[in-house]
Amino acid sequence: DGGITQSPKYLFRKEGQNVTLSCEQNLNHDAMYWYRQDPGQGLRLIYYSQIVNDFQKGDIAEGYSVSREKKESFPLTVTSAQKNPTAFYLCASSIQGGSYGYTFGSGTRLTVV
Amino acid sequence: AQKITQTQPGMFVQEKEAVTLDCTYDTSDQSYGLFWYKQPSSGEMIFLIYQGSYDEQNATEGRYSLNFQKARKSANLVISASQLGDSAMYFCAMREGRSGYSTLTFGKGTMLLVSP
Repeated sequence: DGGITQSPKYLFRKEGQNVTLSCEQNLNHDAMYWYRQDPGQGLRLIYYSQIVNDFQKGDIAEGYSVSREKKESFPLTVTSAQKNPTAFYLCASSIQGGSYGYTFGSGTRLTVV
Repeated sequence: AQKITQTQPGMFVQEKEAVTLDCTYDTSDQSYGLFWYKQPSSGEMIFLIYQGSYDEQNATEGRYSLNFQKARKSANLVISASQLGDSAMYFCAMREGRSGYSTLTFGKGTMLLVSP
């Protein structure tokens, strides 16, 4: 079955360390997105990519980096510059817009210890 | 200003009753789309329903309907005959413009609890 796979489901990081969250899709979707979710804040856009080797900053890109070397993959790196990285991270993908929303992965919960 | 406003942090409803979750939006675009997603405690986001700005009829998907009032810029989700499995977080979202890959902006969500 087609879908989006995020791994790992839970991730613990020490302060000062970079960590990479994986997102892989087999839906043949062109666009991919990373959102951060905090309690009471809804979903906020970190980065998105509409095509391989190209990506754009979202509303809260500081302290994060991404790459899009393959259509299927859009990993997110949380760097040590991100001051409050503990959150729930959701990856999504979509085909061209209109009535098509996003297909989401099951999320990664990152905790800084 | 927030583009998507969900004013109800939490809602309670009894099983088999109908419930309305409020959503207002702010955009100057003529072409836009409105979405509702459900997020159960597992964290996964589940697409429920879509309404395009040019759609004259309210969207319906099974027990879900979207009460679209364009002049008031509201897109309320109506769940008929609530079930225990409807207990979850619900998010309203908007895509602006005609661009094929314009991003979704989400509201802060409403937590719905359905009691027996």
